[in-house]
Amino acid sequence: GQNIDQPTEMTATEGAIVQINCTYQTSGFNGLFWYQQHAGEAPTFLSYNVLDGLEEKGRFSSFLSRSKGYSYLLLKELQMKDSASYLCARGGDFNKFYFGSGTKLNVKP
Amino acid sequence: SQTIHQWPATLVQPVGSPLSLECTVEGTSNPNLYWYRQAAGRGLQLLFYSVGIGQISSEVPQNLSASRPQDRQFILSSKKLLLSDSGFYLCAWEGFQGGEAFFGQGTRLTVV
Repeated sequence: GQNIDQPTEMTATEGAIVQINCTYQTSGFNGLFWYQQHAGEAPTFLSYNVLDGLEEKGRFSSFLSRSKGYSYLLLKELQMKDSASYLCARGGDFNKFYFGSGTKLNVKP
Repeated sequence: SQTIHQWPATLVQPVGSPLSLECTVEGTSNPNLYWYRQAAGRGLQLLFYSVGIGQISSEVPQNLSASRPQDRQFILSSKKLLLSDSGFYLCAWEGFQGGEAFFGQGTRLTVV
């Protein structure tokens, strides 16, 4: 497989900040993607990192370190609607995307 | 703008029956297309990808096949379904701005 690892489940409080980590196999790397998936629905694209550093998009930010094979998704000012699974995906050879198993985030009031 | 259509949304099929799931993309030409399967509570498993008409690459050996008869059409098929084929099937195409994949609504297949 592609050895994409992320925590299975996390819980955080409304209004707080949460960081979801992802590690991946570095060979043949072609970009790191984060998706949000609500139960029973298709994943929706959140962010894309191809260079090292932080990409910010409103309440969501994503960080990448290519040498370490590491990324994280940072969610600020958590809202109840942020309760979902967050999928880390790695772009590979020949435009293939490989997904981790996802992190289920539970936001509590 | 580009859109992706996938149908049906839900399907219940008996073991041994055939399968045909269709996916079409509008508003773009020569997209890279993908079929994924997601078992309950699990991540997405890449099944097939296609970079052009008639060009199909399989990621894992299985009871399924894929075809791309037209530029914007991608079909997932099986001659005889197994219980283990149950899952959430997602079609996706690769966008151009950031290389990200955009997903169809998915088909929830239950083999009984």
